[in-house]
Amino acid sequence: ETGVTQSPTHLIKTRGQQVTLRCSSQSGHNTVSWYQQALGQGPQFIFQYYREEENGRGNFPPRFSGLQFPNYSSELNVNALELDDSALYLCASSPLPGSNQPQHFGDGTRLSIL
Amino acid sequence: DAKTTQPPSMDCAEGRAANLPCNHSTISGNEYVYWYRQIHSQGPQYIIHGLKNNETNEMASLIITEDRKSSTLILPHATLRDTAVYYCIVRARNSGNTPLVFGKGTRLSVIA
Repeated sequence: ETGVTQSPTHLIKTRGQQVTLRCSSQSGHNTVSWYQQALGQGPQFIFQYYREEENGRGNFPPRFSGLQFPNYSSELNVNALELDDSALYLCASSPLPGSNQPQHFGDGTRLSIL
Repeated sequence: DAKTTQPPSMDCAEGRAANLPCNHSTISGNEYVYWYRQIHSQGPQYIIHGLKNNETNEMASLIITEDRKSSTLILPHATLRDTAVYYCIVRARNSGNTPLVFGKGTRLSVIA
């Protein structure tokens, strides 16, 4: 069974740039959620994708957007990067949205904004 | 906001049981208790979850009080590799798109 994989593991960008982060879900999982984790804090929910559509969103501005592909993999796009976007970005997959089965996380992408 | 309260940090001697408490006094009847842990530089790792009965798996045991207002995660024989931040989360079952809401968790340090 293949777990959740994320790429790249680390990334450095400057203010105003755009970034795309990628996630491959665990085999058999069709729902993907993205979280942002600032240093010293717990992960904060960004949004969830199911059947290639956004299926719930946290308190993040529209410059955070995403995609899900037919193979259930997903991308997180962030435009007009700000210094406060520096964080660990985590992807989690689960079998169904709201399933009682647990979400499984990848090891994240560490994004640094200079 | 997280619906759980956990102590910010705990220490445990290697080989002893680690008992991590969690208060969730406002939990509703259809909410599960989930536990995750996050080892430095890794993503959160699922440990265990339960509704009202005690649960055990190869990693840990989850003890939920009868009134469901608190729970305890038990690592029976803690090792140095169990040093991590442990998160207790409540989440409604069949909850559609409701995400996991993380607090700050408990930082467990296992000491040799």
